[in-house]
Amino acid sequence: AQSVTQLGSHVSVSEGALVLLRCNYSSSVPPYLFWYVQYPNQGLQLLLKYTSAATLVKGINGFEAEFKKSETSFHLTKPSAHMSDAAEYFCAVTGRDDKIIFGKGTRLHILP
Amino acid sequence: DAGVIQSPRHEVTEMGQEVTLRCKPISGHNSLFWYRQTMMRGLELLIYFNNNVPIDDSGMPEDRFSAKMPNASFSTLKIQPSEPRDSAVYFCASSRGTNTGELFFGEGSRLTVL
Repeated sequence: AQSVTQLGSHVSVSEGALVLLRCNYSSSVPPYLFWYVQYPNQGLQLLLKYTSAATLVKGINGFEAEFKKSETSFHLTKPSAHMSDAAEYFCAVTGRDDKIIFGKGTRLHILP
Repeated sequence: DAGVIQSPRHEVTEMGQEVTLRCKPISGHNSLFWYRQTMMRGLELLIYFNNNVPIDDSGMPEDRFSAKMPNASFSTLKIQPSEPRDSAVYFCASSRGTNTGELFFGEGSRLTVL
């Protein structure tokens, strides 16, 4: 069975500062891992995904994430936060079926 | 290309009434998912289909909930009878079903049960 844990339901960073959103996973098989973003009153959109190729994955809008098997982590980072990054971010995991399990989400607040 | 289309976008109903939510997946996608989002429980997978066949419905809360996918371009999620605790945003998502995990979400149906 797969699961993800996102540390921190709310994270606040200043505009221009580093964004770090934490995700730890549990999986009985080599996982596929994802980060999705949700803007208000919208569905989720894929930011980036790890599917067992390069461990450092680059996504849209300057985000990237690194898969660390030893730490069972897949943290999301962005070097410099922008006001438009304010949204809710979800980490997700799947095994080798189509069942995708999401974490509870982290709401990112950007301070001017 | 059209994305995943859900209807209605908003539904307000009274306890005990039947609610039907509809979803049209992206053409060519052969997996379809229904999720429920609430503040308390986050995003919960209710059921998913592959090639119109229900694969896993273990997330369906109880017998009041049912989902169907009569063909590749249409799915419904029905709640009968509805209860106030069913109030949530219900999302439909589709994927190519190739284990890539890349889901394409609709904009959701916000259900309020009074």
